Amino acid sequence: SAVISQKPSRDICQRGTSLTIQCQVDSQVTMMFWYRQQPGQSLTLIATANQGSEATYESGFVIDKFPISRPNLTFSTLTVSNMSPEDSSIYLCSVIPDSRETQYFGPGTRLLVL
Amino acid sequence: AQKVTQAQTEISVVEKEDVTLDCVYETRDTTYYLFWYKQPPSGELVFLIRRNSFDEQNEISGRYSWNFQKSTSSFNFTITASQVVDSAVYFCALREPSGTYKYIFGTGTRLKVLA
Repeated sequence: SAVISQKPSRDICQRGTSLTIQCQVDSQVTMMFWYRQQPGQSLTLIATANQGSEATYESGFVIDKFPISRPNLTFSTLTVSNMSPEDSSIYLCSVIPDSRETQYFGPGTRLLVL
Repeated sequence: AQKVTQAQTEISVVEKEDVTLDCVYETRDTTYYLFWYKQPPSGELVFLIRRNSFDEQNEISGRYSWNFQKSTSSFNFTITASQVVDSAVYFCALREPSGTYKYIFGTGTRLKVLA
């Protein structure tokens, strides 16, 4: 498996501000993802974080709102920009370790936007 | 199209009861993977099991067991002698190796185990 950490674990933010969430993995992985889980809902894939190139976004998510960086194979950041109360969710990063088929998740970042 | 259905939104049981969580999937691929994850109140998704489409053997791990039936496209999860610590949201997921690495998640089943 993989050990994944996220910072911050939770935050309360004001609307119109931005928050950057960090994801750190204990080993190099090619496949890294960012998910959103709105209250009481299932997981929705935001994007695949690609090392050395732009992230691949899913339908309904855009780079201006959710810019992602992936400077190396163990680290990524997701920024939630110009936040509104509708952005209140748990944001999770995940990885599929190379040569494995199972996806492992970080502990999540609980975001509340007032 | 790929789809995962967890028809049970919420289940409540009394401690020590057995409980089965249902998962029905749709896929056009003959090769695929199925997963169960547990999400306790802390929010972290914990991986429980992965099953390959070519391996229909059922699996038991302690109080947990999984019944995979390709004929009915189901991958059900049973907890025997449930405990309060089993209270969580459980997600079933599907991944098709062809194409992308996307997982299709079900909507989850919230299990409440009452003392």
